[in-house]
Amino acid sequence: DGGITQSPKYLFRKEGQNVTLSCEQNLNHDAMYWYRQDPGQGLRLIYYSQIVNDFQKGDIAEGYSVSREKKESFPLTVTSAQKNPTAFYLCASKVANSITEAFFGQGTRLTVV
Amino acid sequence: QKEVEQNSGPLSVPEGAIASLNCTYSDRGSQSFFWYRQYSGKSPELIMFIYSNGDKEDGRFTAQLNKASQYVSLLIRDSQPSDSATYLCAVLTTDSWGKFQFGAGTQVVVTP
Repeated sequence: DGGITQSPKYLFRKEGQNVTLSCEQNLNHDAMYWYRQDPGQGLRLIYYSQIVNDFQKGDIAEGYSVSREKKESFPLTVTSAQKNPTAFYLCASKVANSITEAFFGQGTRLTVV
Repeated sequence: QKEVEQNSGPLSVPEGAIASLNCTYSDRGSQSFFWYRQYSGKSPELIMFIYSNGDKEDGRFTAQLNKASQYVSLLIRDSQPSDSATYLCAVLTTDSWGKFQFGAGTQVVVTP
């Protein structure tokens, strides 16, 4: 079945640690996105990519980094520079340069302990 | 100014009634518009999308788009308790990278 897989579903981070959230899709989509969602709030764009080996900062990129070495993979690293990382992280993908919808993974809930 | 704005709610709707959700956007060149439903703790799922002015109906859902007023709405007819969720409005901007911008969401509570 085609879809987007995020892992892990739950992640706990100690203060000062970097952690990486995985996002893999087999939909053959070129465009991929990372969003952050805080309780009671909408989705805020962290990074997005339209093509392998290129990506753009979104509205809240500080403290995060990404890579896009393969079309199907877009991992997000939450660095120690992100002072308030506890949130629900969502990865999405879509057909590039089209007006079609984005499909979402099931999300990763990150908690700082 | 936020790019996509929605009333946060909660919007309380009696079972069987019509729920009306509104969304405004700032980028006049935005191309397409989406309504996602999100249950608590889950990821968003697409309800409808619209890209032409006017109405688009799909079952109990109707999306309405008015590009001149930069306004998109969602009507839910015959509301059911299972419709209780947060509804996110998303706009595909004219940015060449195809950014999706989301509103903060409107929480809908359908009361029996």
